[in-house]
Amino acid sequence: GAGVSQSPSNKVTEKGKDVELRCDPISGHTALYWYRQRLGQGLEFLIYFQGNSAPDKSGLPSDRFSAERTGESVSTLTIQRTQQEDSAVYLCASSVTGGNSPLHFGNGTRLTVT
Amino acid sequence: EDQVTQSPEALRLQEGESSSLNCSYTVSGLRGLFWYRQDPGKGPEFLFTLYSAGEEKEKERLKATLTKKESFLHITAPKPEDSATYLCAVQAIGDYKLSFGAGTTVTVRA
Repeated sequence: GAGVSQSPSNKVTEKGKDVELRCDPISGHTALYWYRQRLGQGLEFLIYFQGNSAPDKSGLPSDRFSAERTGESVSTLTIQRTQQEDSAVYLCASSVTGGNSPLHFGNGTRLTVT
Repeated sequence: EDQVTQSPEALRLQEGESSSLNCSYTVSGLRGLFWYRQDPGKGPEFLFTLYSAGEEKEKERLKATLTKKESFLHITAPKPEDSATYLCAVQAIGDYKLSFGAGTTVTVRA
């Protein structure tokens, strides 16, 4: 079946602009995650959704970052007033239940802030 | 706080030269340890989940093992298509997120 889909695949924006990143999880997966991967580094947890609720937002780096999920499906990660340090690959993953079922990742959105 | 350390950072192998990757972890209580493979420009691809010390899992040329403090990913007689970054992650009991290590980049030369 279809995997996790993310759009856009690449985004170049100017410092200070807002950006929205989209994630379409695997159908029927109730858990959804956002991670950030800086060049040459490991994955950094941002936020976890169970259904449309976000019980763990502990990884969001600042109040410039926000995320929502609707219809227990699509999720949007919004970064306001982008800074150069926001440049990274933003990865979305979904899993069946959010327990110890494996995460299935999309190919990410590469964000470059100039 | 959960910690995951992977070594070595990079590994260059000749085709057919078996080797092992290490993942050391600290977690309050282990719910699961996960191995992923990541190719350039792609998202991580799930390989294995290990739940308790002594457990082993195999897939083609890959075998993952788990102790109370570390996990090993053994690559037997690797081929060039095994070249990738291998990521280890842990999930603590009562938690839902995975904490990832920085990965080991494996290059297999023909």
